[in-house]
Amino acid sequence: AQSVTQLDSHVSVSEGTPVLLRCNYSSSYSPSLFWYVQHPNKGLQLLLKYTSAATLVKGINGFEAEFKKSETSFHLTKPSAHMSDAAEYFCVVSSGTSGTYKYIFGTGTRLKVLA
Amino acid sequence: GAVVSQHPSRVICKSGTSVKIECRSLDFQATTMFWYRQFPKQSLMLMATSNEGSKATYEQGVEKDKFLINHASLTLSTLTVTSAHPEDSSFYICSARDMGAGGTYGYTFGSGTRLTVV
Repeated sequence: AQSVTQLDSHVSVSEGTPVLLRCNYSSSYSPSLFWYVQHPNKGLQLLLKYTSAATLVKGINGFEAEFKKSETSFHLTKPSAHMSDAAEYFCVVSSGTSGTYKYIFGTGTRLKVLA
Repeated sequence: GAVVSQHPSRVICKSGTSVKIECRSLDFQATTMFWYRQFPKQSLMLMATSNEGSKATYEQGVEKDKFLINHASLTLSTLTVTSAHPEDSSFYICSARDMGAGGTYGYTFGSGTRLTVV
């Protein structure tokens, strides 16, 4: 069975400093992994996705994530935080075959950016 | 890119009434749509998978008769919360599956509906 664990429920960083949001996954086979961002009372926006191509994935707004199979991790990073990055971030693993495809969401990490 | 429109964005209804939420794929056909529920400061929980032209598949613990899902066309799925109660107040989000570049599936989310039952 597939599952995903976001290790930190809250992360605070100062503006201009690096961001690290941690995600570990469990999967019976090669997973597809995603990071989404959600601003208050808004839908979800895809930041980036890994689908068995390059292990270092670059996304929007300067975010990137590295798929590490040996560590079963897919941590999200950004070199320099901006105030607008403050939001909820979800790590997602896909599950099932093409006929029963589902997303499994992590519990989320709330990122706070301090001025 | 693929766009999913969800309407309404906010709705307040009286206890005992029914509320319909629409999810539309604007520039692609979506044979499969998903409905999620999100409680405050929590993650998204899948409620049901909606397949065009057939019955929805509900997750364990989700009441089929309370959360009616209809997917009558390739661009529209609706979720009706019947006989709403205050405990049904939540943020509901839909997503649609589309065939993206390279033949891989992508999932696009609507902007969500904040339901408040008073």
